[in-house]
Amino acid sequence: DAKTTQPPSMDCAEGRAANLPCNHSTISGNEYVYWYRQIHSQGPQYIIHGLKNNETNEMASLIITEDRKSSTLILPHATLRDTAVYYCIVGPRLNSGNTPLVFGKGTRLSVIA
Amino acid sequence: SAVISQKPSRDICQRGTSLTIQCQVDSQVTMMFWYRQQPGQSLTLIATANQGSEATYESGFVIDKFPISRPNLTFSTLTVSNMSPEDSSIYLCSVAPGGGAVYNEQFFGPGTRLTVL
Repeated sequence: DAKTTQPPSMDCAEGRAANLPCNHSTISGNEYVYWYRQIHSQGPQYIIHGLKNNETNEMASLIITEDRKSSTLILPHATLRDTAVYYCIVGPRLNSGNTPLVFGKGTRLSVIA
Repeated sequence: SAVISQKPSRDICQRGTSLTIQCQVDSQVTMMFWYRQQPGQSLTLIATANQGSEATYESGFVIDKFPISRPNLTFSTLTVSNMSPEDSSIYLCSVAPGGGAVYNEQFFGPGTRLTVL
């Protein structure tokens, strides 16, 4: 079963920051927080992941609370192409190659012009 | 990284028939995973396929319905057998890096969209 809770949907104005929350209160010490998104009819796309420190890459920033029970994905300047379902996933380190990601319901983000 | 291709990209099939979906990866991987995504739903793991051994199926999925082959480290097939309209879904192949890999990411294929009439 998925270990995360996300709002089912959110809207964001184009050009504004999109802040997508995720609760993962049962996360264990060696579990990471992964974010993926799925644009309509495509395979899921990796965005970012973190363990306990905040992370930033060219796509997004990930803010993890100090107690690690929740996190926020930030898309700094949302565009229409960011309209997608965003999945927050908790799981072990993937480069062991043995444990697949378990997907929850995700948040459907609609970026509005 | 890993680039994954799937064949066919989509198909329309008659009930009672079977369809085999192919998944090809551009690098050798230990584990390959198959997911199903029913219309309007999230992804559900069907099974994990390890080269040289039987696939491991998740609860609710059985080998007779979804037989999987894994003949080498870059290829796998998923067969959807004796199809019914309830099998209409997107089927996705996925891989994760092996031990010692620098990156910590799971990669997904583009999916196979199956419609059963």
